Amino acid sequence: QVQLQESGPGLVKASQTLSLTCTVSGGSISTGDYYWSWIRQPAGKGLEWIGRIYTSGATKYNPSLKSRVTLSVDTSKNQFSLKLSSVTAADTAVYYCASFQGGTRNFFDYWGRGTLVTVSS
Amino acid sequence: QSVLTQPPSVSGAPGQRITISCSGSNSNIGAGSDVHWYQHLPGTAPKLLIYGNNNRPSGVPDRFSGSKSDTSASLAITGLQAEDEADYYCQSYDNTLTGPYVFGTGTKVTVL
Repeated sequence: QVQLQESGPGLVKASQTLSLTCTVSGGSISTGDYYWSWIRQPAGKGLEWIGRIYTSGATKYNPSLKSRVTLSVDTSKNQFSLKLSSVTAADTAVYYCASFQGGTRNFFDYWGRGTLVTVSS
Repeated sequence: QSVLTQPPSVSGAPGQRITISCSGSNSNIGAGSDVHWYQHLPGTAPKLLIYGNNNRPSGVPDRFSGSKSDTSASLAITGLQAEDEADYYCQSYDNTLTGPYVFGTGTKVTVL
């Protein structure tokens, strides 16, 4: 069974870039069976999909975040990463990484526990 | 920013049946997009509960079932147990600029 673990700084200053990494275990990130995705949840609010990346490096982003988001994948480390630039307090949230079944399926089958990122002024 | 609406909370006594609604629109559920459901206990990884409207992944008890009709969907839990106390989210595909992958507002289930 695939397991995912988020890691990265828990505190980021406003206007700087948030960087998180997701380490995948229990399977290879290169199998091609999944897309790899990031989702976030601000305190007291709902879940928001951020973007997804395939093992080839092909990406798809949430239109509302597209100008600030960059996803990348490192197959040698079995990891994928999120960079969110020019952060503000509105980007304070728990960030989850997840495996995503694309095509006609369109659901997230395995998730990490999430990591809280706070944007400070 | 959630385009799928759920009741904030639902409660029931052990053994009872409860349902959680997920209301969408013609740009998501009403357009034929499948609905998926997740269970989330705070501090843990969210868990896929139902996929493709009414399919359970391996290991999910058959007490959980899903249905979909027109622009809405429902999750039913029968034989409610204390361990079912959690947050539940629906998710679908939306063909507008708010998407494409959208979640419900979330429902807190309390076992009385």
